[in-house]
Amino acid sequence: AQTVTQSQPEMSVQEAETVTLSCTYDTSESDYYLFWYKQPPSRQMILVIRQEAYKQQNATENRFSVNFQKAAKSFSLKISDSQLGDAAMYFCAYRSLPNSNFGNEKLTFGTGTRLTIIP
Amino acid sequence: DTGVSQDPRHKITKRGQNVTFRCDPISEHNRLYWYRQTLGQGPEFLTYFQNEAQLEKSRLLSDRFSAERPKGSFSTLEIQRTEQGDSAMYLCASVDSSETQYFGPGTRLLVL
Repeated sequence: AQTVTQSQPEMSVQEAETVTLSCTYDTSESDYYLFWYKQPPSRQMILVIRQEAYKQQNATENRFSVNFQKAAKSFSLKISDSQLGDAAMYFCAYRSLPNSNFGNEKLTFGTGTRLTIIP
Repeated sequence: DTGVSQDPRHKITKRGQNVTFRCDPISEHNRLYWYRQTLGQGPEFLTYFQNEAQLEKSRLLSDRFSAERPKGSFSTLEIQRTEQGDSAMYLCASVDSSETQYFGPGTRLLVL
């Protein structure tokens, strides 16, 4: 079974600075998807960024970018120019390709990193 | 609003009562997922549907839990004989053609 590990329960960053959240995962599959989701306090979970494992190029979405190291099974999220609205729980998630032999199309989440932005 | 919606947003019940939650996915999405999230944890998979077919159930889904998606549109999740350990946030998500899951706001259940 796949597992996702987020080793930083909490992180803080000064407003306008850059922060990197860590995520590692374990899988025997060669192709899969990876995601970062953001869950603000008492609000719904929203997608931040996604990465297809077959793509070597790291995904970017405005101030958010990933460092995807497939061999190391590492998928970190970098937030540049941090803003107060970035304060949230951030979850790293893994999912298999659809209709793979493993048959699991669910998302497997890490335990999350709580990000605090210091004004 | 064209996002995933869930109803109710909050539910308080007494132990032993039955509860039912509803999820309305994004209309063009034919796959729908249920997850459970306890405080300080990431969501855990419960079950998923493709159209009206329930294709996978987690071991977390005891026989007190049942989910349906009768017409391949909205879905319901029922918990019978609730226990205090059922207290959690129940999340619904629907999936688009790019395999991205979009989450609803969740139903927070408190069992007294």
